[in-house]
Amino acid sequence: QVQLVESGGGLVKPGGSLRLSCAASGFTFSDYYMSWIRQAPGKGLEWISYISSSGSTIYYADSVKGRFTISRDNAKNSLYLQMNSLRAEDTAVYYCASFRVTQYSRYPHDYWGQGTLVTVSS
Amino acid sequence: DIQMTQSPSSLSASVGDRVTITCRASQGISNYLAWYQQKPGKVPKLLIYAASTLQSGVPSRFSGSGSGTDFTLTISSLQPEDVATYYCQKYSGAPWTFGQGTKVESK
Repeated sequence: QVQLVESGGGLVKPGGSLRLSCAASGFTFSDYYMSWIRQAPGKGLEWISYISSSGSTIYYADSVKGRFTISRDNAKNSLYLQMNSLRAEDTAVYYCASFRVTQYSRYPHDYWGQGTLVTVSS
Repeated sequence: DIQMTQSPSSLSASVGDRVTITCRASQGISNYLAWYQQKPGKVPKLLIYAASTLQSGVPSRFSGSGSGTDFTLTISSLQPEDVATYYCQKYSGAPWTFGQGTKVESK
């Protein structure tokens, strides 16, 4: 069955860096676009980035542009999020999620990982 | 960027009640609108995509409608297991903005 497993979260000081990973299994990873979505404690969902199946197309939310970098390794069935210049407001559970894009349409996030908690605090 | 506004932000309803949640986009998004359900402490789950298409395995008491800027999620007969927060999301183009969420509680 489809599995997305995030890792790499933890406690980091303001201004620090962290790299999140998302290991995918149970589906053809290289066929799917992937997103990172976060949720601050007690708050709503915030989409922050997506990457196309080949890695050639990338978008970021304004809140993370210039600080976060999304990437993927299709040979390793893995998605990454490099987070630099972290701020207290980046504290959240970070989810990876998959979605499909076809020649005729696109579809929303159908599979989600369990999330990894990132805490930015001194 | 297109903003997504949900209403109400919370509601309380009795088991068996019809529940309606609305989502408004600040610009037209065709039917690129999804609804997710997030139960407390759980991962969001896709309920509806393309504004009105039920995701596989989702109970038929859930339905969606709308196109352009105004969308609705309806639960025809609220069940205890439907207590959750519901989010709309546009996926017509980046950024893929979520609504702020609607918390559904049981009376």
